Amino acid sequence: DAGVTQSPTHLIKTRGQQVTLRCSPKSGHDTVSWYQQALGQGPQFIFQYYEEEERQRGNFPDRFSGHQFPNYSSELNVNALLLGDSALYLCASSNRGLGTEAFFGQGTRLTVV
Amino acid sequence: GESVGLHLPTLSVQEGDNSIINCAYSNSASDYFIWYKQESGKGPQFIIDIRSNMDKRQGQRVTVLLNKTVKHLSLQIAATQPGDSAVYFCAENWGTYKYIFGTGTRLKVLA
Repeated sequence: DAGVTQSPTHLIKTRGQQVTLRCSPKSGHDTVSWYQQALGQGPQFIFQYYEEEERQRGNFPDRFSGHQFPNYSSELNVNALLLGDSALYLCASSNRGLGTEAFFGQGTRLTVV
Repeated sequence: GESVGLHLPTLSVQEGDNSIINCAYSNSASDYFIWYKQESGKGPQFIIDIRSNMDKRQGQRVTVLLNKTVKHLSLQIAATQPGDSAVYFCAENWGTYKYIFGTGTRLKVLA
């Protein structure tokens, strides 16, 4: 079992650009949540996808959007990047029906310059 | 507002001693709490969880205590080892798998 995998591991973008981050959930998991973790802080909930729909959202602007595919994998898109978007982006997967704990991936380190 | 806070940003303990990491949460309606461990360059790793109908839960070398009256959580690590050095987060469930994390406590284990 590969666990939760995220790609890429590191990324450097310029202000104003757009970025897409990818997440493959743990086998058997159907729910994907995305978090942003700024340096020295705890993860902040961005949104969650289940059955290919956004189910819950945190306090993030519309520049942050996502998608879930039929195979449960997910993408996080950020438009019009700001320097403040530099952070570690974490994906967590879980199985809604089983109520198991959420498993996190290693994250994608995004640097906006 | 949504917040889970920690009393101590850094905790240093001698190897072999017990560690206690504290956390205050804000939502009295939260029914599920989790402790995560995060090592440098890695994602958070699940340690132990507890539901609001329990006061205490034990795992291997770890114990979580929940005091709903004062909205307080603690993580106790017995016989702390060098491999326990990491940042520890408590998280509060605000919806199905919507976790609100605190800022974290860095645990340093001294040889």
